[in-house]
Amino acid sequence: DVKVTQSSRYLVKRTGEKVFLECVQDMDHENMFWYRQDPGLGLRLIYFSYDVKMKEKGDIPEGYSVSREKKERFSLILESASTNQTSMYLCASSNGLAGLYEQYFGPGTRLTVT
Amino acid sequence: DQQVKQNSPSLSVQEGRISILNCDYTNSMFDYFLWYKKYPAEGPTFLISISSIKDKNEDGRFTVFLNKSAKHLSLHIVPSQPGDSAVYFCAAETDKLIFGTGTRLQVFP
Repeated sequence: DVKVTQSSRYLVKRTGEKVFLECVQDMDHENMFWYRQDPGLGLRLIYFSYDVKMKEKGDIPEGYSVSREKKERFSLILESASTNQTSMYLCASSNGLAGLYEQYFGPGTRLTVT
Repeated sequence: DQQVKQNSPSLSVQEGRISILNCDYTNSMFDYFLWYKKYPAEGPTFLISISSIKDKNEDGRFTVFLNKSAKHLSLHIVPSQPGDSAVYFCAAETDKLIFGTGTRLQVFP
């Protein structure tokens, strides 16, 4: 059964802290994605990766970075958390070119920055 | 610039009736469309998709219709069940997925 796990369901951090959100998939998928979900804005793509060590900016990469050292793991980093980064963060993965857009999502991490 | 729009933030339907969720898009280069369903405290799950070369795709109770000339996509759920109550996102593909803002469907007995 397809599984994408995220390290925390809820997280509370202070402004200025460095925050790490971890995502692991057990499906041997090439592609991994980070989104944030906000009311009235839907899901917006932050960063994605089509291969190990590879990363591409999505629509809203400012204030974020990512790391993909292993195929199964994709980390989202908030270099200096700000209150406008309070959101639900969703990780997803998909398989190869043919299945690029049928993505499997993790349960999400609700991050609150105070 | 919202390329994929879901203009109805919520929809309430009686159990057994048809639910129709709508989605409009602006980019005529989109060639693949998907619907995702999201329950609270869970990630979205893929529901159904359609290629731009088709105008209908059916999977059980779920049917997606595509009207390319109107740049309009709709999801029909027949018959609606209480377990269908969730947020539904449409998404369109270019080199990545672009999601709409979501429609919250509530199916009441």
